[in-house]
Amino acid sequence: DADVTQTPRNRITKTGKRIMLECSQTKGHDRMYWYRQDPGLGLRLIYYSFDVKDINKGEISDGYSVSRQAQAKFSLSLESAIPNQTALYFCATSDGGRRETQYFGPGTRLLVL
Amino acid sequence: ELKVEQNPLFLSMQEGKNYTIYCNYSTTSDRLYWYRQDPGKSLESLFVLLSNGAVKQEGRLMASLDTKARLSTLHITAAVHDLSATYFCAVPEGTYKYIFGTGTRLKVLA
Repeated sequence: DADVTQTPRNRITKTGKRIMLECSQTKGHDRMYWYRQDPGLGLRLIYYSFDVKDINKGEISDGYSVSRQAQAKFSLSLESAIPNQTALYFCATSDGGRRETQYFGPGTRLLVL
Repeated sequence: ELKVEQNPLFLSMQEGKNYTIYCNYSTTSDRLYWYRQDPGKSLESLFVLLSNGAVKQEGRLMASLDTKARLSTLHITAAVHDLSATYFCAVPEGTYKYIFGTGTRLKVLA
């Protein structure tokens, strides 16, 4: 089984709808991240969390919100989706420390019409 | 504000050839990461470079870090088709954030 899972894997929605993307991990990591990937722009950080009581905004948090329900679960919400939020979304976890490495989920492909 | 630039953005090369991908970053950092992404897939960690002069090798890929020049290189030796992917470097900003380069899309032609 995958260590970092994301649901749904693909989603089509309409402008103005509220949607939630979910991420779960079995790696036991405290740190979790949400990124979006757009062609030619690499990955950009939306939100990150270091434990259930710690939520921080990333580079591009406007239009998004998150919830850290448990150590293993980190959800990303689009309160009112707009077409320029069409992108590939990745959840990641990391273990902290000097040799910190991020482990990425499989991604959610979102299309906002 | 940390900026991370990769070049080239696209690279098409023949099998058996050597080439280097460059990653430049704008502020001081003593760590750098390389990731690989296959089409339609997630990112997979390749290398973690932790100090100036660090060199890591796996198979036909070798990564190095020069913190004084703020430069990392990913060298490909005798490329094979299986190396076709997009390669990203990432640099930590502060303790908690990672800034990714735009990626280098590599296509190895038979």
